[in-house]
Amino acid sequence: GAGVSQSPSNKVTEKGKDVELRCDPISGHTALYWYRQSLGQGLEFLIYFQGNSAPDKSGLPSDRFSAERTGGSVSTLTIQRTQQEDSAVYLCASRSARDTGELFFGEGSRLTVL
Amino acid sequence: GEDVEQSLFLSVREGDSSVINCTYTDSSSTYLYWYKQEPGAGLQLLTYIFSNMDMKQDQRLTVLLNKKDKHLSLRIADTQTGDSAIYFCAETVGSGNTGKLIFGQGTTLQVKP
Repeated sequence: GAGVSQSPSNKVTEKGKDVELRCDPISGHTALYWYRQSLGQGLEFLIYFQGNSAPDKSGLPSDRFSAERTGGSVSTLTIQRTQQEDSAVYLCASRSARDTGELFFGEGSRLTVL
Repeated sequence: GEDVEQSLFLSVREGDSSVINCTYTDSSSTYLYWYKQEPGAGLQLLTYIFSNMDMKQDQRLTVLLNKKDKHLSLRIADTQTGDSAIYFCAETVGSGNTGKLIFGQGTTLQVKP
């Protein structure tokens, strides 16, 4: 597709379960970002992949959160043993190194932990 | 540390000008951005400014950058009800147009008819 694709768009899970959120970036974009947007909060940076470099994981809130990017394309954000405070919209974005480096965002995955 | 601060809410009347302010911390940021999030929609780039510029104008939008004070503002002239949205300021950490992008909390703009 032409844009950043995220799945699932909505996920309801029980506390303690693991979840996986998927992001398919724009083809050819070398950088991929994950952000979290909670109600009333801004965009919280989670993790960032740039080409073949080691990812910048400085925003991951705990060791329950992890992400990988396979083959420099699709990325999966995994949250283990989910907690209610993990409920949020998880946004993925990709970026080209050309021009202004504009971030292109997906529609997000809304996670609700009961 | 890296931080971007914005006021949370602004209310204006249709036809007035809106000014949304932002402060940032990374003095080496090459690009600074304004993103717009309309209700129920994703974020889209509204405009950007390169760090060697003081001002950028794009139709009804004017961006002002004060590098000394690390202050960025977005002015929307002749604000319309369709401008109602959340506006996010963002800085690139480090130089260049790659690297981590840090966003502010977002300013909710309410435009009253």
